[in-house]
Amino acid sequence: EDQVTQSPEALRLQEGESSSLNCSYTVSGLRGLFWYRQDPGKGPEFLFTLYSAGEEKEKERLKATLTKKESFLHITAPKPEDSATYLCAGGGYQKVTFGIGTKLQVIP
Amino acid sequence: ETGVTQSPTHLIKTRGQQVTLRCSSQSGHNTVSWYQQALGQGPQFIFQYYREEENGRGNFPPRFSGLQFPNYSSELNVNALELDDSALYLCASSLQDRVNGYTFGSGTRLTVV
Repeated sequence: EDQVTQSPEALRLQEGESSSLNCSYTVSGLRGLFWYRQDPGKGPEFLFTLYSAGEEKEKERLKATLTKKESFLHITAPKPEDSATYLCAGGGYQKVTFGIGTKLQVIP
Repeated sequence: ETGVTQSPTHLIKTRGQQVTLRCSSQSGHNTVSWYQQALGQGPQFIFQYYREEENGRGNFPPRFSGLQFPNYSSELNVNALELDDSALYLCASSLQDRVNGYTFGSGTRLTVV
């Protein structure tokens, strides 16, 4: 059975304090590893797709990396507006399996 | 370019009733997927529709069914509602045969009492 595990479940950072979120996955027929941001009561917002081990993608203060078993979302010098739940997901053309998410709180 | 629109935004139903949720996909997208997200959990795959047919299904019972229309919009129907069906229902559109991230709607919050 496909599985995506995220850690930590919750993370509290001071503004400017960099950190990383972890996503380990076991997904058969994996064609893409995805990161989303979700604000309370809203649908997930797409951030990145990673296709192969060694790939990296960046967007503002976020950088996502991928190995054969894990992905990391690095957050550099976060701001309070980065507070959200970050979801990792793996899959292919049809089913995508999501992790439970990491709830990030950035304190001013 | 329009995004994914879902209706209604909130809904309260009684156990045993039936419900229909609606979704308009993003312009240019031909595939719609539905996900259920319970409070504090990640989204769980219900099913996907492409060319008006079910194109993959998760571990949900047959009382969860769907439709896709020629304009790629979609409906999710749930019969015989149970208390555990209370969740945020998310619609996501994408292009078939492209492994890109989904575009999600804001969801329908269903409460079963």
